[in-house]
Amino acid sequence: NAGVTQTPKFRILKIGQSMTLQCTQDMNHNYMYWYRQDPGMGLKLIYYSVGAGITDKGEVPNGYNVSRSTTEDFPLRLELAAPSQTSVYFCASRNLETQYFGPGTRLLVL
Amino acid sequence: DAKTTQPTSMDCAEGRAANLPCNHSTISGNEYVYWYRQIHSQGPQYIIHGLKNNETNEMASLIITEDRKSSTLILPHATLRDTAVYYCIVRGTNSGYSTLTFGKGTMLLVSP
Repeated sequence: NAGVTQTPKFRILKIGQSMTLQCTQDMNHNYMYWYRQDPGMGLKLIYYSVGAGITDKGEVPNGYNVSRSTTEDFPLRLELAAPSQTSVYFCASRNLETQYFGPGTRLLVL
Repeated sequence: DAKTTQPTSMDCAEGRAANLPCNHSTISGNEYVYWYRQIHSQGPQYIIHGLKNNETNEMASLIITEDRKSSTLILPHATLRDTAVYYCIVRGTNSGYSTLTFGKGTMLLVSP
């Protein structure tokens, strides 16, 4: 049982490039979330999903897109990377009571 | 979800018990108290949660006051690896999709 896994661990992007952050969970959880955490700050919710085929915006969705074609996978897409998107990105899944987080992806946009 | 108040930082000597307090005076009857921690550069990690009764697992103990307005997370024998930011979060089980709201937490520094 691997829990929540994220790839890549670290990435450098140039302004305007695009990329997909991958997130997979093997706990059969319906709820999944994407957060970003800027240095010294708390977690901000980007997008969430309550099940396959259902996604919705969180607190800071601009510049991002998500899809949820399966229960296991919840990828986050950056279409036109900007320096303001430099951050650490965490994916999480949740059962009724407990939220489980992935190890994070560090993204640097130059 | 009810708001929580935690000290900004705490120190603890290695091997001693770390007692982290949390106030949640506006907690309602169906809301649980959750504790998570975030070790530097890692994702938040679930520690323990409880409703009314005290709880214990392999990581920690959670003591909730009878009026449920405050709680204490106890790490019985703190190690250097327990240095982290600890978050106390109150959340109801009927909150649907809503995620946990992480405040500023308590920075626990465990020293040799």
